[in-house]
Amino acid sequence: DVKVTQSSRYLVKRTGEKVFLECVQDMDHENMFWYRQDPGLGLRLIYFSYDVKMKEKGDIPEGYSVSREKKERFSLILESASTNQTSMYLCASSFYGPGYGYTFGSGTRLTVV
Amino acid sequence: AQTVTQSQPEMSVQEAETVTLSCTYDTSESDYYLFWYKQPPSRQMILVIRQEAYKQQNATENRFSVNFQKAAKSFSLKISDSQLGDAAMYFCAYNILFTSGTYKYIFGTGTRLKVLA
Repeated sequence: DVKVTQSSRYLVKRTGEKVFLECVQDMDHENMFWYRQDPGLGLRLIYFSYDVKMKEKGDIPEGYSVSREKKERFSLILESASTNQTSMYLCASSFYGPGYGYTFGSGTRLTVV
Repeated sequence: AQTVTQSQPEMSVQEAETVTLSCTYDTSESDYYLFWYKQPPSRQMILVIRQEAYKQQNATENRFSVNFQKAAKSFSLKISDSQLGDAAMYFCAYNILFTSGTYKYIFGTGTRLKVLA
């Protein structure tokens, strides 16, 4: 069964901590994405990657960075967590091209206190 | 602006009945893809159906079908014979050419569907 796996389902971190969210896919997808999901705002793109070591900013990259050292793994980094980064984080992957749907992970609900 | 509007934050449907979720979008592109995703309480987003904008025929997947009106930029989802397992948040999306030849999705804010037994 193909899947996208996010390392944590729930996470609680303190303000100012450096936070790593990990995502691994086993489908040999070229593209990987990080979204945050907030009620009433839908899904907003933080960063994406279309190849190893390649990354592009999405719509809300401020306060975040990413790393993709291997094709199957895409990490989201919160350099200094803040309370306004409390959210649901969704990782997704897809093949390159316009018609491919995303395969999503189950999400990480991050609370910053 | 590239936007997707889902004007119904919440809807209810009786089991075995039919329900239609609305979606409108705004794009200047002539060729694109449209999608409906389902997010059940388990939080795993699942692709329900997709539509190629240059195809006039509406897509269908079992009990799910779309009413695609390109000129009106409307892409509604019809669920027939609703089942309890259809209860979820539904997101409409389309994708656009981003930078580096990559496509990104624009998502709506979602419609929460409740199915009543």
